[in-house]
Amino acid sequence: AQSVAQPEDQVNVAEGNPLTVKCTYSVSGNPYLFWYVQYPNRGLQFLLKYITGDNLVKGSYGFEAEFNKSQTSFHLKKPSALVSDSALYFCAVRDGGRGNTPLVFGKGTRLSVIA
Amino acid sequence: EAGVAQSPRYKIIEKRQSVAFWCNPISGHATLYWYQQILGQGPKLLIQFQNNGVVDDSQLPKDRFSAERLKGVDSTLKIQPAKLEDSAVYLCASSPLYPPPSSTNEQYFGPGTRLTVT
Repeated sequence: AQSVAQPEDQVNVAEGNPLTVKCTYSVSGNPYLFWYVQYPNRGLQFLLKYITGDNLVKGSYGFEAEFNKSQTSFHLKKPSALVSDSALYFCAVRDGGRGNTPLVFGKGTRLSVIA
Repeated sequence: EAGVAQSPRYKIIEKRQSVAFWCNPISGHATLYWYQQILGQGPKLLIQFQNNGVVDDSQLPKDRFSAERLKGVDSTLKIQPAKLEDSAVYLCASSPLYPPPSSTNEQYFGPGTRLTVT
């Protein structure tokens, strides 16, 4: 069975500083890893994904994530945070070797970027 | 390309009443998912369809929840009777069955329906 852990309920960062939102995962097969962002009263928006290849994945709005197989982590990062990045962030995993499987999500991390 | 459509966006009902949600996936997407997102938690799968067949409904509380996708396009999710703990956002997502080779077949989410049971 797959699982995702997001150890921080809330991350606060000053505008212009780098940000990191942590995620660790567990999956029996090949990990397909995703980050989604959710703004108030909006659905989930896809940010980026890791399937295979380069461990550093670049996504939308300047976000990137680093896949670390030995630590089973997929932390989300951004070099310089913006106030508009304030939102709820979800890490998700699915077993890539089993076709169209559903996503298993972490509980989410609320990012607050302070001006 | 139009996204995943859901209606209504908001619904308030009393416990023991019935409610239905509707989802229209992205055109051509064979796989459709319903997720439940309780406040403070990540979304959890309720049911997955491929065309008009159920792939996974192991986490659907079948004594009160039902879902159908009769023509393999849009879908409805029903709760009857509702309980207080059903208060949540119900998210619909879709994905293609045969994605392009470079794709991961990621899921596209609708805006959700926020249900409040009083």
